[in-house]
Amino acid sequence: DIQMTQSPSSLSASVGDRVTITCRASQSISDYLSWYQQKPGKAPKVLIYSASSLQSGVPSKFSGSGSGAEFTLTINSLQPEDSAIYYCQQSYSSPLTFGGGTKVEIK
Amino acid sequence: QVQLRESGPGLVEPPQTLSLTCTVSGDSINSGSYYWGWIRQPAGKGLEWIGRIYTSGTTNYNPSLKSRVTMSVDTSKNQYSLRLSSVTASDTAVYYCAKGSGFPKLFFDNWGQGALVTVSS
Repeated sequence: DIQMTQSPSSLSASVGDRVTITCRASQSISDYLSWYQQKPGKAPKVLIYSASSLQSGVPSKFSGSGSGAEFTLTINSLQPEDSAIYYCQQSYSSPLTFGGGTKVEIK
Repeated sequence: QVQLRESGPGLVEPPQTLSLTCTVSGDSINSGSYYWGWIRQPAGKGLEWIGRIYTSGTTNYNPSLKSRVTMSVDTSKNQYSLRLSSVTASDTAVYYCAKGSGFPKLFFDNWGQGALVTVSS
């Protein structure tokens, strides 16, 4: 199985900050990577697919980059509604696997 | 907009079989090059992919659960189902059904609200 490791596991930032979350795969996965946002009690919501493609309807403040084994999710101008847990997910090989999550809190 | 909804018992006794159904609305389950998946999440923990099924009936399961999982699809009802046998307390989780898109760079673009299943005697 491909292991997905996210860092940090949690962070606290101020309104208006730029936040970066990293996801590392245990082997190269090309750009077979997606990012999700999950708020308490809700299902995850896809933000980014194919490493850098913005899902329809998702604000452009979210962006993804990377290929191979290292990827980043960037949130620009952090707002209170961005408080959530963010997960990466690889689809390069089965079984599909998710990172452990990064909890983003607002200071 | 496709909507998904999980249904099934919220309590299952060990070592019985957990059964959930996902009802798809807003579009035919047969339309498009989609696959239909199940993901679970124990309370306070991360996401675990259980498996996926295509409307052709082709399945792909997580090896960690493969011996206990069966998925099926009923296109006439626009539904697909999950069965997980020989459950234990460690199978207690919120179970999500989700639509997969973007083949081959698969991602889940529509999710159900989730169904909490507790395994307890």
